[in-house]
Amino acid sequence: TAGITQAPTSQILAAGRSMTLRCTQDMRHNAMYWYRQDLGLGLRLIHYSNTAGTTGKGEVPDGYSVSRANTDDFPLTLASAVPSQTSVYFCASSPTAPANYGYTFGSGTRLTVV
Amino acid sequence: DAKTTQPTSMDCAEGRAANLPCNHSTISGNEYVYWYRQIHSQGPQYIIHGLKNNETNEMASLIITEDRKSSTLILPHATLRDTAVYYCIVPGFGNEKLTFGTGTRLTIIP
Repeated sequence: TAGITQAPTSQILAAGRSMTLRCTQDMRHNAMYWYRQDLGLGLRLIHYSNTAGTTGKGEVPDGYSVSRANTDDFPLTLASAVPSQTSVYFCASSPTAPANYGYTFGSGTRLTVV
Repeated sequence: DAKTTQPTSMDCAEGRAANLPCNHSTISGNEYVYWYRQIHSQGPQYIIHGLKNNETNEMASLIITEDRKSSTLILPHATLRDTAVYYCIVPGFGNEKLTFGTGTRLTIIP
């Protein structure tokens, strides 16, 4: 089934450790996005990429980095995790940007930093 | 992004039409209105979007007022599986990114 695959599904991570959340799409979408969602809050954009080779900062980029080496993959890296990064992380893609098309979201990665 | 205002929560009886309102009074002429929903612990799901004409697809209908300052998402025959948080979003013309607010929590009552 075409769509977005996120890995891992969940993870417990010790504070200070690094981790990369993986996101892969097979729809050949140009634009990809990372959001975080905290309990009781809406989704907040962390980073985005309008096309392979380019990235941009969203609303809450601090403590996170991304890369977009090819169309399909958009990994999110936490260099040194802190407890405030405990959240559910969603990856999304759209055929193009501006976003005059629907986004497709992954199933999320639930990260707990202890 | 144009600011949107939605009720915090709504209930609807199973089998009835669910009408979810959204106010976007600062919308400009070339900005689209998008609707997404998020079922508990899942990723958001695209529902529908429109510019000025009413739109219908297999999931829902979108009614946009003539002045475009508000819209209504209609789920014609709500089922229990439609219980979710519904987000109305106006990303702004030329804006690459969607900004999610807190949405409307719709509960379908058996």
